[in-house]
Amino acid sequence: AQSVTQLDSHVSVSEGTPVLLRCNYSSSYSPSLFWYVQHPNKGLQLLLKYTSAATLVKGINGFEAEFKKSETSFHLTKPSAHMSDAAEYFCVVSRDFGNEKLTFGTGTRLTIIP
Amino acid sequence: NAGVTQTPKFQVLKTGQSMTLQCAQDMNHEYMSWYRQDPGMGLRLIHYSVGAGITDQGEVPNGYNVSRSTTEDFPLRLLSAAPSQTSVYFCASSYSPGFSGYTFGSGTRLTVV
Repeated sequence: AQSVTQLDSHVSVSEGTPVLLRCNYSSSYSPSLFWYVQHPNKGLQLLLKYTSAATLVKGINGFEAEFKKSETSFHLTKPSAHMSDAAEYFCVVSRDFGNEKLTFGTGTRLTIIP
Repeated sequence: NAGVTQTPKFQVLKTGQSMTLQCAQDMNHEYMSWYRQDPGMGLRLIHYSVGAGITDQGEVPNGYNVSRSTTEDFPLRLLSAAPSQTSVYFCASSYSPGFSGYTFGSGTRLTVV
C-alpha cells in the first residue's frame, strides 16, 4: 500500500518570499505523485504531476516539485509567494501510473502575510 | 463547459434519511471516484469505478452505495444518513488516474443533523 505524509499542517510566508511545502511518500512500486491546490470553498485543481519522467516537474502558477527517490520526497516550491497562493495544498500518491487509486495527504494550509 | 458536475451543492439531512448525490462528467472518462473531505484528514476514497458496470470499494465505503450504469454518471447513495457522514463530498473522473490525476467536481457539502 502507498501512503503520503505532509510534514507541515500550516505554513506562513511573507508575500514575495519563497514557499516550501514538504511531502514524503511511501510506495513499494514506482509511484506517480501529484500536488493539488484547493482555494477556500472550491474544488481541487491539479498543480503538477510526476509520472517517472523528469524528476523536476514544473506546474501552473510558478510552482515546481522535485522527485527525490533516495529521500522519498516530493516537496513543492515557489520562488516568490503571491497573495493568491493562499490555499490548502494536497500531496497525492498513486502506486504506479497504471493505478486508479489515489491516496491523499492530510493537507498543508498556506497563509501569505502581506 | 466540459468537466465534472455535482448536485446538489448543499444538503441538510435528518438522521436516518436517505439521499443520492449526483455526479456527471462529459469527458468520456472511464475512471470515476467519490471522496469525502473532513478537516485534518485530507480526502478519503469511498468508492470508485473503472468503467460502466464496474465498481469497487475504497477506504471508507460503509454506509454508501454506488452504481455505474453509464460512462457519464456515477451517483453516490447514502442509505441511512448518520451525523458521522457530515462532510464535503467530491466526485472525480479521469482517463488514467495514475498518469494524469483526477478532475474534480466542485463538491457537495452535506450536513446530517
